[in-house]
Amino acid sequence: DAEITQSPRHKITETGRQVTLACHQTWNHNNMFWYRQDLGHGLRLIHYSYGVQDTNKGEVSDGYSVSRSNTEDLPLTLESAASSQTSVYFCASSDPGQGPGLKQFFGPGTRLTVL
Amino acid sequence: DQQVKQNSPSLSVQEGRISILNCDYTNSMFDYFLWYKKYPAEGPTFLISISSIKDKNEDGRFTVFLNKSAKHLSLHIVPSQPGDSAVYFCAALSGTYKYIFGTGTRLKVLA
Repeated sequence: DAEITQSPRHKITETGRQVTLACHQTWNHNNMFWYRQDLGHGLRLIHYSYGVQDTNKGEVSDGYSVSRSNTEDLPLTLESAASSQTSVYFCASSDPGQGPGLKQFFGPGTRLTVL
Repeated sequence: DQQVKQNSPSLSVQEGRISILNCDYTNSMFDYFLWYKKYPAEGPTFLISISSIKDKNEDGRFTVFLNKSAKHLSLHIVPSQPGDSAVYFCAALSGTYKYIFGTGTRLKVLA
């Protein structure tokens, strides 16, 4: 069965370190997204991609970067981790071929703690 | 500026009764609205959606109502079951394939 996976599921790091969160989907979806979930804020979009070599900034992109070298993967990198980036991170994908209003499929999430 | 708002952080309902979750939005240009359900330690899962040209969409126990003049949508769950206990997010489609999410409502269905 097609799926979307994230790794690691839990990560503890120190302020200033570079961290990369992996996202891998086997749906063959062109669209991929990264969100962070924080209490009182819901899900906020960090970066998104509509296909290979395409990346775009979301509403909370400062301090994060992504790259899209193939259809399956969209790794999220925190260049220099800050305590404010402690959060739960979700990756999602969707298929533009299904038309507008299409649903997104979410990964299980990565809980990141920055000390 | 929160374009999609869920003003009730939590809701408790007796099993078998109706659960009504509400969502307000500010942008009249949103094309689609979706509801997602999220259990602890899992990613959100799609529940139901509605196009802005419709005012109702039904799928089993779940019905979404859209009131464009009031910029308001609601999710009705009838009858509510203990397994429905989760956090529910509404989301609005902005432009292409970007979704703006509300802050979520935690539903607790009491047995």
